Amino acid sequence: QVQLVQSGADVKMPGASVTMSCKASGYTFSDYSIHWVRQAPGQRPEWMGWINTGNGNTKYSQKFQGRVTITRYTPAGTAFMELSGLRSEDTAVYYCARGWRDIIVVPLDYWGQGTLVTVSS
Amino acid sequence: DIQMTQSPSSLSSSVGDRVTITCQASQDISSYLNWYQQKPGKAPKLVISGASNLEIGVPSRFSGSGSETDFSFTISSLQPDDIATYYCQQYDSLPLTFGGGTKVEIK
Repeated sequence: QVQLVQSGADVKMPGASVTMSCKASGYTFSDYSIHWVRQAPGQRPEWMGWINTGNGNTKYSQKFQGRVTITRYTPAGTAFMELSGLRSEDTAVYYCARGWRDIIVVPLDYWGQGTLVTVSS
Repeated sequence: DIQMTQSPSSLSSSVGDRVTITCQASQDISSYLNWYQQKPGKAPKLVISGASNLEIGVPSRFSGSGSETDFSFTISSLQPDDIATYYCQQYDSLPLTFGGGTKVEIK
């Protein structure tokens, strides 16, 4: 069955960077894209960006442009998301989710379990 | 960015009741509208895509309708397992955006 398994929770100081992973199984990794969506406590989900796992092309939300980098390592079926310049407002659960490979604007049909990132001094 | 406005923000109904949630987009999004169910501490789960297409394995008591700017999501007979927050999300254009959520509780 399709599964997206994310790395564990992390605590970071303000100004630091965080990198998290999303390992896919149960399907051909490069046939589908990976999106990253975050959700601050009590808030609505917020889309951050996308990677075409086939060719590595990325697209980021303007809000995070310059601070977010999404990559993938196809042999391991894993996508990564790095967020830099962390501030307290970045405290959130970060989710990866699966979409169609070549079209960005699609439903997100499977989601990882989430990675909690806490930014605190 | 396309703004998505949901109402109500919360509701409390009895088991077996019909429950309806609405979602309004700030511009025409055709039928590019999804509904997700999120239980506490869990990831969102896709329930309906394309405004009215029920995902495989989702109970038929869930349904969706609408187009352009006005959409609705209905649970025909509320069950205890339906307790969750429901979000609409548009996929007409980037950035993908979500509604504020509707928390559904049992009375």
